[in-house]
Amino acid sequence: DAEITQSPRHKITETGRQVTLACHQTWNHNNMFWYRQDLGHGLRLIHYSYGVQDTNKGEVSDGYSVSRSNTEDLPLTLESAASSQTSVYFCASSEALTGNGDEQYFGPGTRLTVT
Amino acid sequence: AQTVTQSQPEMSVQEAETVTLSCTYDTSENNYYLFWYKQPPSRQMILVIRQEAYKQQNATENRFSVNFQKAAKSFSLKISDSQLGDTAMYFCAFIQGAQKLVFGQGTRLTINP
Repeated sequence: DAEITQSPRHKITETGRQVTLACHQTWNHNNMFWYRQDLGHGLRLIHYSYGVQDTNKGEVSDGYSVSRSNTEDLPLTLESAASSQTSVYFCASSEALTGNGDEQYFGPGTRLTVT
Repeated sequence: AQTVTQSQPEMSVQEAETVTLSCTYDTSENNYYLFWYKQPPSRQMILVIRQEAYKQQNATENRFSVNFQKAAKSFSLKISDSQLGDTAMYFCAFIQGAQKLVFGQGTRLTINP
């Protein structure tokens, strides 16, 4: 069965370190997204991609970067981790062309703690 | 900018009761999509129901139904015959054009035995 996976599921890191969160989907979806979830804010969009070599900034992109070298993967990098980036991170994917409003499929999430 | 507001941070009902979760949104567009996602304690995000704005008929999925009021920009979720497994965070979300979901703050729903 097709799926979307994230690794690691839990990560503790120190302030100032570079951290990369992996996201891998086997749906063959063009669209991939990274969200962060914080209490009182729901999920907020960090970065997204509509296909290979395409990346775009979301609502809360400062301090994060992504790259899309193939269809299956969209790794999220925190260049210099800060305590404000302690959060739960979700990756999602969807097939839809712009405007079709298809369902986004979510990964299981990564809980990141920056100490 | 599009915004989604869920005014009920927490709700609690008894098993088998009916419960309605509220959601309002703000957009100037005419074509868009609305969703309710469920997040149980496992943290997995699960799609509950989807509504296309150009369809006047309210979407239903088994015990879950919506009351979509386009003019009022309201999109409430009704859960009938609630079950213990319905205990979760529920997020209302909006999407238009560029496939970017905008989420509300969430409502924590507890079903009591």
